[in-house]
Amino acid sequence: QVTLRESGPALVKATQTLTLTCTCSGFSLSTSGMCVSWIRQPPGKALEWLARIDWDDDKYYITSLKTRLTISKDTSKNQVVLTMTNMDPVDTATYYCARILGSGWSGMDVWGQGTTVTVSS
Amino acid sequence: QSVLTQPPSMSAAPGQKVTISCSGSRSNIGNNYVSWYQQLPGTAPKLLIYDNNKRPSGIPDRFSGSKSGTSATLGITGLQTGDEADYYCGTWDSSLSAFVFGIGTKVTVL
Repeated sequence: QVTLRESGPALVKATQTLTLTCTCSGFSLSTSGMCVSWIRQPPGKALEWLARIDWDDDKYYITSLKTRLTISKDTSKNQVVLTMTNMDPVDTATYYCARILGSGWSGMDVWGQGTTVTVSS
Repeated sequence: QSVLTQPPSMSAAPGQKVTISCSGSRSNIGNNYVSWYQQLPGTAPKLLIYDNNKRPSGIPDRFSGSKSGTSATLGITGLQTGDEADYYCGTWDSSLSAFVFGIGTKVTVL
């Protein structure tokens, strides 16, 4: 069974750096074609894609946040890590990781339950 | 706002059909696959449709997807109270070099 589980702090202060971890099971991040994305959703608002990392370490970022985001993976732990610097209250959201179906952009077939992050001023 | 346009809300009676539109441009829907997601209240999104019109295993055939030019459509037939949710379309945008979601459509079953 494929599962993803997000973890990280529930509360961070403005200007701090957020580090979120996505622990994957049921598949290996080093297997050809495996890709994972991060997506966030502010309270009451729409989904926003943030970043993606592929099995071969290719990385993609949303342009508007590219300077603040870093996505990486630890294949030994089967984890994907997202760091976001200089946090602001507008970054308050539920953050999801999701596996991408295939190696293209077909869709995200398995999602974690999400982790809620509140940024205090 | 989003580069993908969806109606904010739709409603229909149980058993009826709803059709949710997702309008984009050549740089996104026009040249890339569209996927659709269902988000029930308080839960994570769930993939309903990928590659424009394919259903993952376990998704009932009441849900269907189609694409024509720069627009895509999600159809839900035999509407049930359990279908009350937010529905999002998504696709890669080659100009933005980013995956984009629509604003979401809230479906209410009357």
